[in-house]
Amino acid sequence: KQEVTQIPAALSVPEGENLVLNCSFTDSAIYNLQWFRQDPGKGLTSLLLIQSSQREQTSGRLNASLDKSSGRSTLYIAASQPGDSATYLCAAPYYGGSQGNLIFGKGTKLSVKP
Amino acid sequence: GAVVSQHPSWVICKSGTSVKIECRSLDFQATTMFWYRQFPKQSLMLMATSNEGSKATYEQGVEKDKFLINHASLTLSTLTVTSAHPEDSSFYICSARGLRRGVRDTQYFGPGTRLTVL
Repeated sequence: KQEVTQIPAALSVPEGENLVLNCSFTDSAIYNLQWFRQDPGKGLTSLLLIQSSQREQTSGRLNASLDKSSGRSTLYIAASQPGDSATYLCAAPYYGGSQGNLIFGKGTKLSVKP
Repeated sequence: GAVVSQHPSWVICKSGTSVKIECRSLDFQATTMFWYRQFPKQSLMLMATSNEGSKATYEQGVEKDKFLINHASLTLSTLTVTSAHPEDSSFYICSARGLRRGVRDTQYFGPGTRLTVL
């Protein structure tokens, strides 16, 4: 069964710093992997979707990488801003049970201080 | 494109009542919809998977008689929490996966419904 782990659980950085969030997954038989942002009490905002055929996906200051062989993905945030403060969730699909539902990590809570 | 809506966005009810939550795919047909639950400071956990026109598949530990799921059309799935109790208070989020090119194998999430049972 797919297990998704995110490290670190929480991260506090000063504004302007570049940072990396890590995600690892146990079942590499995936078609894609997604990164989400969740603000307190809110739903999910999809940030990046990386297809298994891709190694990287970029959107603005965000860059996500995927290495299926090692079961790892990273989310790189450049020039962090206070508005980036949120919980970032990594999710990988699992096809062995419920038709490809997403398995979520516990998230990394990011705090960017002005 | 690929928008998923949920209604209501929040609901407060008394213990013992039933609450229905709707999940709609607005601009694509969703063959499969997933219902997730998120308790405070926890990650999302899958409750059940529903396919249009067939019975939902529930995850281990989720009571199917308590959480009734109906997926009667390709754009609508409903989750009914029957005889709700305070421990059912949670954030319920649905996602939809469709047939249209561009949305295949990709799940699109609704904004969530916050349920508070008094």
